[in-house]
Amino acid sequence: GAVVSQHPSWVICKSGTSVKIECRSLDFQATTMFWYRQFPKQSLMLMATSNEGSKATYEQGVEKDKFLINHASLTLSTLTVTSAHPEDSSFYICSAKTDWRETQYFGPGTRLLVL
Amino acid sequence: SQQGEEDPQALSIQEGENATMNCSYKTSINNLQWYRQNSGRGLVHLILIRSNEREKHSGRLRVTLDTSKKSSSLLITASRAADTASYFCATDAYGNKLVFGAGTILRVKS
Repeated sequence: GAVVSQHPSWVICKSGTSVKIECRSLDFQATTMFWYRQFPKQSLMLMATSNEGSKATYEQGVEKDKFLINHASLTLSTLTVTSAHPEDSSFYICSAKTDWRETQYFGPGTRLLVL
Repeated sequence: SQQGEEDPQALSIQEGENATMNCSYKTSINNLQWYRQNSGRGLVHLILIRSNEREKHSGRLRVTLDTSKKSSSLLITASRAADTASYFCATDAYGNKLVFGAGTILRVKS
């Protein structure tokens, strides 16, 4: 149990375009979902926390107008990278948790390359 | 900013040896968790230790927590080539968020 999927697993796009990444909890209802970014050989940096039906809370330094997060249901959250630039190229990982468990369950990640 | 600091940054051992990784943090925590990440993949949850616990075991894994020193260690016994991965500690400081350490890259040679 506790499986989280992400789609797509990798994406290449041109500079200036927008990219949407989906995060789904497949076998549980996720009251909270998290979005992380990981640059090569570095650790995970939390970008934002989203609760179903409410606005996401962004970490300091993360532009909310550039990284749009929607958590429309208890099993789906989306991250849209708007007007992507090469410096947005990274590995984006989501995680999901329920209120009654302390553990976050992570998706397999999405590798974004902006040309 | 990252709260957790891990050492060593990289560790290379022979199959069958034990691997020990350390993690230090700065603030009070609710729990501390260890994750494994294979190259280019998502994270796999290994073990969670609460602030009122001192030691926890899971299979070949042993985790200790010293809240007075704000540090934790992860011991992998009888390592296997399949244990080759990056290992991260992450602290939950009562805010529902995890703050990850820099990670330790473990290479187990067969």
